[in-house]
Amino acid sequence: DIQMTQSPSSLSASVGDRVTITCRASQSISSYLNWYQQKPGKAPKLLIYAASSLQSGVPSRFSGSGSGTDFTLTISSLQPEDFATYYCQQSYSTPHFGQGTRLEIK
Amino acid sequence: EVQLVESGGGLVQPGGSLRLSCAASGFTFSSYWMHWVRQAPGKGLVWVSRINSDGSSTSYADSVKGRFTISRDNAKNTLYLQMNSLRAEDTAVYYCAREFHYYDSSYYYYYMDVWGKGTTVTVSS
Repeated sequence: DIQMTQSPSSLSASVGDRVTITCRASQSISSYLNWYQQKPGKAPKLLIYAASSLQSGVPSRFSGSGSGTDFTLTISSLQPEDFATYYCQQSYSTPHFGQGTRLEIK
Repeated sequence: EVQLVESGGGLVQPGGSLRLSCAASGFTFSSYWMHWVRQAPGKGLVWVSRINSDGSSTSYADSVKGRFTISRDNAKNTLYLQMNSLRAEDTAVYYCAREFHYYDSSYYYYYMDVWGKGTTVTVSS
């Protein structure tokens, strides 16, 4: 199985900050990497697919990059509604999610 | 409106069984592969199972293999998860999710683009 490791596990930031979350795969997964956002008590929401493609309706302040084993999710200017937990998920084989990164208000 | 609605969760004793349902609407259910994903209290997302569009192919996480069975009824637009021999560690919110996939230069990409709100399963005596 391909394991996904996110860093950091938690992060404190302020509105307007630029934030980067990293996801590392245990082996190369090309660009088979998706990112989801989850708010407390809610279902996950797809943000980015195929490492860098923005899902329809997702604000352009969200972006993804990377290939192979190292990937990043960047939020260019944090908005109040962005405080949530973010998960990466590899789609190279049987789905596996990272452990999540909790983004909190500083 | 594209929608997935889970049901069937509840409290069950260890060793017991439960069947979850996921009712789909607003899209052609029979054209999509579907997944179950779970989330234990305070924990992250864990993939559970996947089924192809006509139900002929399934896959499972090792933690549920041999105990859980995914199935679907395309005439009823409904996805199922039969859960047997339940354990305390199966306690979680269970989400169903639609898989969208496409080919790009012969590469197969997929992602989960529509999710239900989840149903809670609690395994406890």
